[in-house]
Amino acid sequence: EVQLVESGGGLVRPGGSLRLSCAASGFTFSDYSMNWVRQAPGKGLEWVSSISSSSIYIFYADSVKGRFTISRDNAKNSLYLQMNSLRGEDTAVYYCASGGFLEWSDYWGQGALVTVSS
Amino acid sequence: EIVLTQSPGTLSLSPGERATLSCRASQSVSSTYLAWYQQKPGQAPRLLIYGASSRATGIPDRFSGSGSGTDFTLTISRLEPEDFAVYYCQQYGDSPYTFGQGTKVEIK
Repeated sequence: EVQLVESGGGLVRPGGSLRLSCAASGFTFSDYSMNWVRQAPGKGLEWVSSISSSSIYIFYADSVKGRFTISRDNAKNSLYLQMNSLRGEDTAVYYCASGGFLEWSDYWGQGALVTVSS
Repeated sequence: EIVLTQSPGTLSLSPGERATLSCRASQSVSSTYLAWYQQKPGQAPRLLIYGASSRATGIPDRFSGSGSGTDFTLTISRLEPEDFAVYYCQQYGDSPYTFGQGTKVEIK
């Protein structure tokens, strides 16, 4: 069974940092490009970042460029999102999902809630 | 950036009726790299359609996708009670991999 399990969410003050992790199982993680997608409360889906299977290619949304860093460790079947200089508008559920780089997202985690508030 | 505009914003229909959802792109989507997702409250999105018209594994055949270039359609031939949800289109051909704003299919 395919599983993507996010962790590391929580409450953080504006300007603070947080690191999300996503543990993958049930599929060959190293064969897949991976995404982070977020959803603000009551809003639609917003693509955040993608990383290719070997980490050679990385893309970011303009809204997070320079503040967020995506990475992966194929030996640990894990995806990460380092989030710095957090703002109120970064408050959202963050989903780890397969896909990007011409691939659709067929695997999704259940999401991790990040709340940025003083 | 490719902007995806979905219409209508809300579709009010009864079980058994046909649903037609539109997704229009601001520029051509490369080689039909267009997907549709379904999302229910409190749940992660679920892939329905990829490549504009290919059904994902386990998706019932009442769901179908069509279109190319800038105009795409998701059709649900006969709505079942479990189909009332929000539907999103996404293009994954050119970064940023944008989503449409969603269409809510609600029970009339």
